[in-house]
Amino acid sequence: KAGVTQTPRYLIKTRGQQVTLSCSPISGHRSVSWYQQTPGQGLQFLFEYFSETQRNKGNFPGRFSGRQFSNSRSEMNVSTLELGDSALYLCASSVGQGADGYTFGSGTRLTVV
Amino acid sequence: QKEVEQNSGPLSVPEGAIASLNCTYSDRGSQSFFWYRQYSGKSPELIMSIYSNGDKEDGRFTAQLNKASQYVSLLIRDSQPSDSATYLCAVHGSYIPTFGRGTSLIVHP
Repeated sequence: KAGVTQTPRYLIKTRGQQVTLSCSPISGHRSVSWYQQTPGQGLQFLFEYFSETQRNKGNFPGRFSGRQFSNSRSEMNVSTLELGDSALYLCASSVGQGADGYTFGSGTRLTVV
Repeated sequence: QKEVEQNSGPLSVPEGAIASLNCTYSDRGSQSFFWYRQYSGKSPELIMSIYSNGDKEDGRFTAQLNKASQYVSLLIRDSQPSDSATYLCAVHGSYIPTFGRGTSLIVHP
C-alpha cells in the first residue's frame, strides 16, 4: 500500500514569506501529526489532527497552523518565516493517536534564507 | 514536562556484537513504547513497539520494558554496518508520543 506522501520535498524561502506543506496519510489512517526536526532540538511536536479536528497542539507560536480535510490529507502553514524555522518537517500517519506507532513521510526540508 | 532521555552517543560496536541502546522516561502513565531507526538524511522508521513489561523479540531486535524503573531498551544482536543509524525512543502516555533525541549507533567492520 502507498506510504505517507509529503510535498514538496525541498523548499527555499526568504524571511517574512509564508509556506504551505502537504501530507497525504496512509489510506485508512485518520490521524496525522506534524513534527519539526532540527539537529539541536530533535523531534518537536507541532500538532495532531484526527477526523478533521485538531486534537493536540505543541508549544509553537501561532505562526504555525494546520488543518485536515475530509479525505484525511493535511496541510500545515507557517507564516512570516524566520531563519529559525529552517528544519525538516515530518508528517506522521497513524490509525489512532499514535498509540500504535507512526509511519512517517519522507519529510519536507525547509530552508529559510 | 514529560521527558524521554537517551544517551546521544555515538555508541560504537564491532560488527557481530550486541548493541544495547537505553532510554528512560518520566511519565509513569506511559502505556506504549517505540523504537524508531533514522538513517542520515531519511525519516524515522518504526522498528519495534512494546506495551507490557518484559522482552519482545523480532528477528535480531529485542525490546525490553521495565515500567517500575521507567526504562526501555533495545538490543541489536549480530550488529551489521547497515544498522548504523540514529535510534529514537518514543513514549506514548495520555497525550501524544514524546521522542528522545536519539542515540547514534556506529557498527564498524
